[in-house]
Amino acid sequence: KNEVEQSPQNLTAQEGEFITINCSYSVGISALHWLQQHPGGGIVSLFMLSSGKKKHGRLIATINIQEKHSSLHITASHPRDSAVYICAVLRLGGLTFGKGTHLIIQP
Amino acid sequence: KAGVTQTPRYLIKTRGQQVTLSCSPISGHRSVSWYQQTPGQGLQFLFEYFSETQRNKGNFPGRFSGRQFSNSRSEMNVSTLELGDSALYLCASSSDSRGNTEAFFGQGTRLTVV
Repeated sequence: KNEVEQSPQNLTAQEGEFITINCSYSVGISALHWLQQHPGGGIVSLFMLSSGKKKHGRLIATINIQEKHSSLHITASHPRDSAVYICAVLRLGGLTFGKGTHLIIQP
Repeated sequence: KAGVTQTPRYLIKTRGQQVTLSCSPISGHRSVSWYQQTPGQGLQFLFEYFSETQRNKGNFPGRFSGRQFSNSRSEMNVSTLELGDSALYLCASSSDSRGNTEAFFGQGTRLTVV
């Protein structure tokens, strides 16, 4: 079993829909990161969380340390949100990554 | 403020050769981490440098090594290249070594071993 599990692996939705991507982890962590990767490889850091909730524009990230679970929400989704979203947890000095969620938003 | 710069962007090498990749972090950032991304294994942590010292290392063979210079620029080296080393190599910089600050990623170096 991977230390970091993401669901769903693939998600196709219509423009305007509310999107939720989940991340569960099985180890103690110092922090959790949500990353976005577009075709071509570039990675953008969306959030770094160690507790609670953060919001940036249409993106919201939450973490429940007791349940070892985090969610990334996208409100009013848009085709430009199409990308791979990756959850990563910080432990033992390095990041351990989930396999990513491939999101496609159709117009 | 300039972002994280990785050079070269693309590289083709032959099995058995060695390769050196470079990463220039954001000005003022002292922590540089390296990652390998392959279709099969996804993203995996290689190592992290802070103030010229390797602080943490992932589970990779000794053929993978790195260093950091006094200006925080970092290089990683892979010796005796294997076909399986073909991957996207990403570096990320942050302001401290504890990892609980935001990480800024470069565009990556795509290495193809033939």
